[in-house]
Amino acid sequence: RKEVEQDPGPFNVPEGATVAFNCTYSNSASQSFFWYRQDCRKEPKLLMSVYSSGNEDGRFTAQLNRASQYISLLIRDSKLSDSATYLCVARNQGGKLIFGQGTELSVKP
Amino acid sequence: SQTIHQWPATLVQPVGSPLSLECTVEGTSNPNLYWYRQAAGRGLQLLFYSVGIGQISSEVPQNLSASRPQDRQFILSSKKLLLSDSGFYLCAWSGTGEEAFFGQGTRLTVV
Repeated sequence: RKEVEQDPGPFNVPEGATVAFNCTYSNSASQSFFWYRQDCRKEPKLLMSVYSSGNEDGRFTAQLNRASQYISLLIRDSKLSDSATYLCVARNQGGKLIFGQGTELSVKP
Repeated sequence: SQTIHQWPATLVQPVGSPLSLECTVEGTSNPNLYWYRQAAGRGLQLLFYSVGIGQISSEVPQNLSASRPQDRQFILSSKKLLLSDSGFYLCAWSGTGEEAFFGQGTRLTVV
């Protein structure tokens, strides 16, 4: 079983749609969590950290459920520029950052 | 501010040739350093992780090795490349308990 798992997609949505990505992690000792965005043939870039209380950054909302070992990312009012691969990341107790395989999002006009 | 440099951006190497990819970080001390590989259309696979000079954890048995000769320098090497070593190699750094920041990556094609 992979330590961090995501639905690979692709998710094809129209502009303005709301889309949600889910991620599960198997290591209950994981300490912190992040969402990254990766554009085609580019390096991943941090989108946002994920806090236990949930956090929001503009159209993006991240949530963490430690009991279920589940992380989510919600994107509201999707833009064409949101098209990318979204990577879920867990930092384990040894400090290693483990990435999920990514979820591909394609926003269509 | 902190920056991370990784080179070269692209590399085409014949099977059986050696490899050396270098990554350096500026503007921080004692960073955690990572080497990841991403195959086409796949996720990031952690190859090596280092918390300090000479301290390297190898995550996956393979044809590669890593070294950290200086605090902010991380080198990925191979003595003899295989076709299966092709991929997008990414170096990253993080502080304790923080997110990682990536270099621009090296796209390696073994022919």
